Amino acid sequence: AQSVTQLGSHVSVSEGALVLLRCNYSSSVPPYLFWYVQYPNQGLQLLLKYTTGATLVKGINGFEAEFKKSETSFHLTKPSAHMSDAAEYFCAVSSSGGYQKVTFGTGTKLQVIP
Amino acid sequence: DAGITQSPRHKVTETGTPVTLRCHQTENHRYMYWYRQDPGHGLRLIHYSYGVKDTDKGEVSDGYSVSRSKTEDFLLTLESATSSQTSVYFCAFRGGEGADTQYFGPGTRLTVL
Repeated sequence: AQSVTQLGSHVSVSEGALVLLRCNYSSSVPPYLFWYVQYPNQGLQLLLKYTTGATLVKGINGFEAEFKKSETSFHLTKPSAHMSDAAEYFCAVSSSGGYQKVTFGTGTKLQVIP
Repeated sequence: DAGITQSPRHKVTETGTPVTLRCHQTENHRYMYWYRQDPGHGLRLIHYSYGVKDTDKGEVSDGYSVSRSKTEDFLLTLESATSSQTSVYFCAFRGGEGADTQYFGPGTRLTVL
């Protein structure tokens, strides 16, 4: 069984401030972990992913996330928020085999305050 | 552009009518998926396909059927639409290096009155 918990359905940060979006997962097998971003009226766009190897992964638009197995976490960070970062962010966990069952978190809406 | 399109992008229909949503991909991917997105639920899998004429149910498949007669097309049908099926529907394919990532279409907003 696998599940994802995103802490905070809404997060507000000031422009230029650190962005931290939290994600904790559970998985009975080594997980693949993803962050997606969704802008209004659009589909989900892959930000970054962890499958194997280096636990600190860098993605598009200056975002990065660190896989911490001991904490079962995969938090998303960005050092300095831009107005264009305002969107909804989804954390997801999947298995590596079979049809690739992906379980999504319920999303965190990021508001960037000028 | 992820090489995946959905049609229509918006649809309003009446309760009890049949509705078919189309997903089209251009890159010959084997696995395709249909999800629905509802506030507070994230994305939930309706059905998936692992090849032509090979499909299986996801976690919220009641009231939905799918078909895949060609690799590039994956159709989702609501046989008799209900108001509880008002949602945004996303199609995805599995691809990328290692075929370990799902890439999503732009979505179809369906309203059932």
